[in-house]
Amino acid sequence: DAGVIQSPRHEVTEMGQEVTLRCKPISGHDYLFWYRQTMMRGLELLIYFNNNVPIDDSGMPEDRFSAKMPNASFSTLKIQPSEPRDSAVYFCASRALGETQYFGPGTRLLVL
Amino acid sequence: AQTVTQSQPEMSVQEAETVTLSCTYDTSENNYYLFWYKQPPSRQMILVIRQEAYKQQNATENRFSVNFQKAAKSFSLKISDSQLGDTAMYFCAFLNPDSGAGSYQLTFGKGTKLSVIP
Repeated sequence: DAGVIQSPRHEVTEMGQEVTLRCKPISGHDYLFWYRQTMMRGLELLIYFNNNVPIDDSGMPEDRFSAKMPNASFSTLKIQPSEPRDSAVYFCASRALGETQYFGPGTRLLVL
Repeated sequence: AQTVTQSQPEMSVQEAETVTLSCTYDTSENNYYLFWYKQPPSRQMILVIRQEAYKQQNATENRFSVNFQKAAKSFSLKISDSQLGDTAMYFCAFLNPDSGAGSYQLTFGKGTKLSVIP
């Protein structure tokens, strides 16, 4: 099993640009989670999906952030327009039956 | 709401020695799960070990074991025969599967930075 796959692994962009982060969950996992990690705030859950449907997006910081899951094997997290304070590591995680979440390698985002 | 506390921001251990990382949590629930995740410098979040609260037996994975004290709400991680590759941030996490809409949300501690010294 390839595990959770995220792309890109690193992203450097300028303030105001649109950023799209991508995630492919582990095959057969029906829950998908997006997290953000910063030094100041630690790990924060942004949103999670069950069977491609967003269940809880209360962690999404503001309207500039949006997430979609068009099918069971793909999800995106979009930031538009990006700001320097969005710089963080963004993790995608997935889980199936049982309670263990498996994390992807993360995307390091730097907004200049 | 549940809280997870890791009281040791940083620790160090000599290679081949044993180290214990502490974690306490606060909950009124009886059914829950506890996890330790490892985050090496690569930033990958790697599951180390998990414990179901209904199990009295402490979980063990090779050199990693836990001391789960349910009454004390304590969940410490013991690393035996420490290796250089164990250098990482270690996060304790809590999950209550019966908490409605939030039942899939992991609550993380702030982490303990472990350095293994050659």
